[in-house]
Amino acid sequence: QQQVKQSPQSLIVQKGGISIINCAYENTAFDYFPWYQQFPGKGPALLIAIRPDVSEKKEGRFTISFNKSAKQFSLQIRDSQPGDSATYFCAASGGTYKYIFGTGTRLKVLA
Amino acid sequence: DTGVSQDPRHKITKRGQNVTFRCDPISEHNRLYWYRQTLGQGPEFLTYFQNEAQLEKSRLLSDRFSAERPKGSFSTLEIQRTEQGDSAMYLCASSLTTSVDTQYFGPGTRLTVL
Repeated sequence: QQQVKQSPQSLIVQKGGISIINCAYENTAFDYFPWYQQFPGKGPALLIAIRPDVSEKKEGRFTISFNKSAKQFSLQIRDSQPGDSATYFCAASGGTYKYIFGTGTRLKVLA
Repeated sequence: DTGVSQDPRHKITKRGQNVTFRCDPISEHNRLYWYRQTLGQGPEFLTYFQNEAQLEKSRLLSDRFSAERPKGSFSTLEIQRTEQGDSAMYLCASSLTTSVDTQYFGPGTRLTVL
């Protein structure tokens, strides 16, 4: 019940295309859902986050969509750029503050 | 640089040796977290502090692991009698209790146990 399932494991997108990464959770106590971007050898960097009282949040080219009834949330990257090539992690937390991370999606944007 | 810092960035040690890592959180952040990340996986929670109090420890944190945050500022993570299975990236993060749970991560310490 503590797991966060993330898909796909890897994704290849053409420059200018849309990248979509999905996550699902089971624990209804989760109330904070951040997305992190990680480059090789670096720590995760916060991209965007959402709470379950909102169904969508946009920041620049990044959008989180949240479906509370389905217990799913997704990250959309519009106009994907080669510089977006990285590993993306979804996470969830609630109550105890610790994050439960997904297994990651390795995104490659082709020039 | 006002971000989370970790030292050292890389550590190579022989099996059986003790190692200690340091984390300096963002100034005034009262929560500090340790995570472990193995290759191709997401970070896994190890422990967290609120000020100097260690409030939660994961079952991943065996008796060989100990973490401290003596003055509520920097933290240390010590691994005694290292094993090859301890090889991983050890990540530190910090947050403010008044924020919306946002954790800011440091660059990590890459541990290799030979």
